[in-house]
Amino acid sequence: GAVVSQHPSRVICKSGTSVKIECRSLDFQATTMFWYRQFPKKSLMLMATSNEGSKATYEQGVEKDKFLINHASLTLSTLTVTSAHPEDSSFYICSALRLDGKNIQYFGAGTRLSVL
Amino acid sequence: AQKITQTQPGMFVQEKEAVTLDCTYDTSDQSYGLFWYKQPSSGEMIFLIYQGSYDEQNATEGRYSLNFQKARKSANLVISASQLGDSAMYFCAMREGLGNEKLTFGTGTRLTIIP
Repeated sequence: GAVVSQHPSRVICKSGTSVKIECRSLDFQATTMFWYRQFPKKSLMLMATSNEGSKATYEQGVEKDKFLINHASLTLSTLTVTSAHPEDSSFYICSALRLDGKNIQYFGAGTRLSVL
Repeated sequence: AQKITQTQPGMFVQEKEAVTLDCTYDTSDQSYGLFWYKQPSSGEMIFLIYQGSYDEQNATEGRYSLNFQKARKSANLVISASQLGDSAMYFCAMREGLGNEKLTFGTGTRLTIIP
């Protein structure tokens, strides 16, 4: 398999603050990473596709000014939840795409965000 | 129509028995990929197995095998000799079309292994 690191694993913040989540591919270069959100007992919902060196592509209904994505290098993508509110509380998980023919997405361990 | 359907919300299986988790898919593309991921209570998504639409043989990875029946559009995951550590949520996912790397996930099956 491949190793994707996501940090922090858990964050608690006050309403109105911004939170940055990092996603790193540790043993391969990833020009493409993905950010998902998962509600309790639900499946993963794709939020956006992060492309190294270019703007992220957001899924319909996802506010790009709310969820800022930066993919500044081949091993790092960040998701910043700006001016977080309690409704942003959720489990956020990233994946990195390994281009090897099978093109498998390898996931980080996720970040549980709680906004008070 | 659902792209990925997992009809078993929960399953209980005795340890050491084999278990089959169902997955059916819907696509009109000839080129697609099917994936299974395991999500333990810790939350991480662990890649288990991949099957390409043009692969003629069923994929196998250790105790995991994928029963790929193209005409029936099913991609069931088979876990042999189940272990307590197999207790988790299992998600089937599909990538459709050439050049598209997005995954569509099913609703998942919660597998509980009974000692």
